[in-house]
Amino acid sequence: DQQVKQNSPSLSVQEGRISILNCDYTNSMFDYFLWYKKYPAEGPTFLISISSIKDKNEDGRFTVFLNKSAKHLSLHIVPSQPGDSAVYFCAASALAYNTDKLIFGTGTRLQVFP
Amino acid sequence: DAGVIQSPRHEVTEMGQEVTLRCKPISGHDYLFWYRQTMMRGLELLIYFNNNVPIDDSGMPEDRFSAKMPNASFSTLKIQPSEPRDSAVYFCASSLIRTGKADTQYFGPGTRLTVL
Repeated sequence: DQQVKQNSPSLSVQEGRISILNCDYTNSMFDYFLWYKKYPAEGPTFLISISSIKDKNEDGRFTVFLNKSAKHLSLHIVPSQPGDSAVYFCAASALAYNTDKLIFGTGTRLQVFP
Repeated sequence: DAGVIQSPRHEVTEMGQEVTLRCKPISGHDYLFWYRQTMMRGLELLIYFNNNVPIDDSGMPEDRFSAKMPNASFSTLKIQPSEPRDSAVYFCASSLIRTGKADTQYFGPGTRLTVL
């Protein structure tokens, strides 16, 4: 049972435009959400996070939006750059339940072309 | 800071053989996590340790999988006997003591395992 779902395995966007990556979750206990970025032959690296008490968090070109009622979050990258081409993983945690586990989605491969 | 170190980076073995994956966490980190990445299931948590003690091994797929952390600077993930469906990339990650945030996991480069 996949508790965190990324239904788009890939996304192709032109340089300079907005990239929107989506993630859905099923477990209402999740209260903290993260995005990780992964380049080939490297481990994932933390990108941005959001607590369930917020609905938006912004860091430079990256913004994460959370819609708790829909159990949906999205990552916006504006403007997209070729260096953003990577696999993006959505992850969730239930911090209020004193767990250190991250539940990851299957990832979305983003390709930014010139 | 050398980051999380994993060895080997690539492992090719035949079905039925024992495989041992190794991890050295970042010095001073209290938590160590083992993940497996596959196309179908993404990143799955297999097991994690706190201060060298296994806390949750509910993600370990079968008894063929075992993990140990004999000290704060070393952990192993062993598969015995290995099967072709174990082929995946295995990641080790470490983090500091819980600060109320789950974004402090630092991942190693992974071990790509191929079981023929």
